[in-house]
Amino acid sequence: QSALTQPASVSGSPGQSITISCTGTSSDVGGYDYVSWYQQHAGIAPKLMIYDVIKRPSGVSSRFSGSKSGSTASLTISGLQAEDEAAYYCCSYAGSFTWVFGGGTKLTVL
Amino acid sequence: QVQLVESGGGVVQPGGSLRLSCAASGFSFSSYGMHWVRQAPGKGLEWVAFIRHDGTNKYYADSVKGRFTISRDSSKNTLYLQMNSLRSEDTAVYYCAKEVIGYHAFDPWGQGTLVTVSS
Repeated sequence: QSALTQPASVSGSPGQSITISCTGTSSDVGGYDYVSWYQQHAGIAPKLMIYDVIKRPSGVSSRFSGSKSGSTASLTISGLQAEDEAAYYCCSYAGSFTWVFGGGTKLTVL
Repeated sequence: QVQLVESGGGVVQPGGSLRLSCAASGFSFSSYGMHWVRQAPGKGLEWVAFIRHDGTNKYYADSVKGRFTISRDSSKNTLYLQMNSLRSEDTAVYYCAKEVIGYHAFDPWGQGTLVTVSS
């Protein structure tokens, strides 16, 4: 149950697009199409942004999109806005009703 | 709307025990599996435990297996986490989260309760 690998930080200017990667193994990200992404503003509970790699819950902006290739999943945020500044965590199902999170990525909107 | 409210956190000595509660409202509690997820200060998220909707099966992270027990009381719409043999590395904010039926995701999350293990 090793944590998935995410970059510690990414940054972008308003209006730009950024992509956050999430690398696992064939036992988690590479083995299942069950990657989810969570946004966490400072001091607040995480919020589901993407599930099943590419699906967006109702109410989540279409500026957020997900993808996966092999054992690496990605979250892309287009048209960056100041309110997007937060930490983002990926999570993958790892089999046998266990889940593993990434270490988190701090997004800074310049 | 769906609401999850955790309680029971506090300061406990190493080797001690604590029981966390998560009061659920706004949905049919007995129809959903529930998770506990924790976050050490300044660190990332760590999945801790999952219990199926009817309580028949329970699953744990290796880091807490044998020390923590997840349970639920559908008559009280409440989820529990019994934590024994606590260690300093268990210090974290503990969140409860509802499963998304049919999907491996957590939504929504409670506001969390802080557990500090220190002498």
